[in-house]
Amino acid sequence: SQQGEEDPQALSIQEGENATMNCSYKTSINNLQWYRQNSGRGLVHLILIRSNEREKHSGRLRVTLDTSKKSSSLLITASRAADTASYFCATDAGNQFYFGTGTSLTVIP
Amino acid sequence: GAGVSQSPSNKVTEKGKDVELRCDPISGHTALYWYRQSLGQGLEFLIYFQGNSAPDKSGLPSDRFSAERTGGSVSTLTIQRTQQEDSAVYLCASSLYGGLAGTLSTDTQYFGPGTRLTVL
Repeated sequence: SQQGEEDPQALSIQEGENATMNCSYKTSINNLQWYRQNSGRGLVHLILIRSNEREKHSGRLRVTLDTSKKSSSLLITASRAADTASYFCATDAGNQFYFGTGTSLTVIP
Repeated sequence: GAGVSQSPSNKVTEKGKDVELRCDPISGHTALYWYRQSLGQGLEFLIYFQGNSAPDKSGLPSDRFSAERTGGSVSTLTIQRTQQEDSAVYLCASSLYGGLAGTLSTDTQYFGPGTRLTVL
């Protein structure tokens, strides 16, 4: 399978703490994207990082990409209860788009 | 403005019946994508359209699945002779531009709310 894999599968933290989730993939990529999915809702695009970038920030989000290790991490700082959702990484490898299995994040108020 | 819409939101059908799922992308978006999310699984990429053409159909699970897009807008995903393993949430997304030479776009994809398909 060329699907990305996130870890951990589930993460539970207290509000205000930071949350880190990781994504590994198998093929060379053009870019990697992170998405959020709230229960019963569609996917929301969070951030895109290109293969020639190593780090990117967007608000409370920080994404890193290590193409030599074929891995990426998503850091959410100062978490809020509203951040409770599933987070997916997706890799664009040309003509195919691969999503990981997701990390389920629970932020406890 | 209107986002991506999908219909129906829920569909319950009997095994062996055909179903048609519809996706209305954001107006002006040239690229359209179909995904499937089975219970407890990650997202599975099915197919994407650049305009009305689909450069790569290899993501479709079987020949019972087909998709078309006409007028560069609305797309339908048809599943013939549905099976219980087809039960999933089918998500559609669109992006403003497609990629070059038939590759996937690096533009943000905007997702619809999905169609929950249950095959009894």
